[in-house]
Amino acid sequence: DARVTQTPRHKVTEMGQEVTMRCQPILGHNTVFWYRQTMMQGLELLAYFRNRAPLDDSGMPKDRFSAEMPDATLATLKIQPSEPRDSAVYFCASGLGSGGPLGTDTQYFGPGTRLTVL
Amino acid sequence: AQSVAQPEDQVNVAEGNPLTVKCTYSVSGNPYLFWYVQYPNRGLQFLLKYITGDNLVKGSYGFEAEFNKSQTSFHLKKPSALVSDSALYFCAVRKGPNQAGTALIFGKGTTLSVSS
Repeated sequence: DARVTQTPRHKVTEMGQEVTMRCQPILGHNTVFWYRQTMMQGLELLAYFRNRAPLDDSGMPKDRFSAEMPDATLATLKIQPSEPRDSAVYFCASGLGSGGPLGTDTQYFGPGTRLTVL
Repeated sequence: AQSVAQPEDQVNVAEGNPLTVKCTYSVSGNPYLFWYVQYPNRGLQFLLKYITGDNLVKGSYGFEAEFNKSQTSFHLKKPSALVSDSALYFCAVRKGPNQAGTALIFGKGTTLSVSS
């Protein structure tokens, strides 16, 4: 049963520390998404990649957040330095996007990383 | 800009009764609409989607959704609710209207509570 995996599942850190979250997309999927979920803002898109290239990172605070795909099996989201307002659940999702208008849009979500910044 | 709205934060239904979770949309071009469900401490799961074709779309777990172009709505429905349907439901629209596999814009979510 193919699944998106995320590590760590929980992270508690102090303000100013660096946080790295990792995601392993489903093998063969070419699109990876990072979302952030909070009670106040709901589910927000931070960034997404197709074929390891960033397509849209307009939702990501550029001064402290960075997202990369070192290879097709690993996506990372880094926050440096972290702040209390970054406390949220961060979801990774993967999909198989064709780029054409009628391709599949189904996204498969990982279990999330619950980040608490003190 | 593409957007969806879920006007109800919470919907309460008795088990066995029909349920409706509402969603309205605002898009440029053709709407590509989705429903996802989130169970506690889990990631979102795909339920169904409308791309083109029949206005009534059938999905997982007995759910269906009705696309209504004149009312710009895409309400999620189920004829008979189960307690296990209790979860957080998200309506979503494709961010890039002409490209599949682009990001989705999600609504705020509606908590469905089914009582026994």
